[in-house]
Amino acid sequence: DIVMTQTPLSSPVTLGQPASISCRSSQSLVHSDGNTYLSWLQQRPGQPPRLLIYKISNRFSGVPDRFSGSGAGTDFTLKISRVEAEDVGVYYCMQATQFPPTFGQGTKVEIK
Amino acid sequence: QVQLVESGGGVVQPGRSLRLSCAASGFTFSSYGMHWVRQAPGKGLEWVAVIWYDGSNKYYADSVKGRFTISRDNSKNTLYLQMNSLRAEDTAVYYCTLGNGMDVWGQGTTVTVSS
Repeated sequence: DIVMTQTPLSSPVTLGQPASISCRSSQSLVHSDGNTYLSWLQQRPGQPPRLLIYKISNRFSGVPDRFSGSGAGTDFTLKISRVEAEDVGVYYCMQATQFPPTFGQGTKVEIK
Repeated sequence: QVQLVESGGGVVQPGRSLRLSCAASGFTFSSYGMHWVRQAPGKGLEWVAVIWYDGSNKYYADSVKGRFTISRDNSKNTLYLQMNSLRAEDTAVYYCTLGNGMDVWGQGTTVTVSS
């Protein structure tokens, strides 16, 4: 199975400041069809996960543009340009390139 | 709008069975693969099982293989997870999710395995 490793595991941030989360996969996530199936999920406290970003950098419907994704191969990043109070929660990267789908450990974003 | 609603969770003794359901609406259910993903208390996300859009293929995590069965009824827009021989380590919130990209998630249903 592909192992997804996120850093940091905890990220205290000041409101209005940027935040960044890294995700590294144990193998390349480039699929034979040329796509890279790397997604980012947000889980607010007490809520189910919600898809934010798919295929590295595509924002899902309704996701604010302060969220952006980048990367290639085995190294990926989620950035929040200006953290808002509603962004508090745990963020997961997920790969669906190779079966079975696997998740990172999660990064907790909290306000300083 | 797209909606997934899980049900069927509860408290069950080790070794017993439980069947979870996921009612889908707002999209053409029969066109999409569906997953079950679980989250143990205070832990991260663990993929459990997937079923193809037409039910032709099903795959399971090693931790549940031989004990859990995923199925679907496209005429009822409903996904199922039959869980047998439950163990304490199966205690979790179980989510159904839509599509290979896990685009949409239900609210989850809680399964507690305890004597």
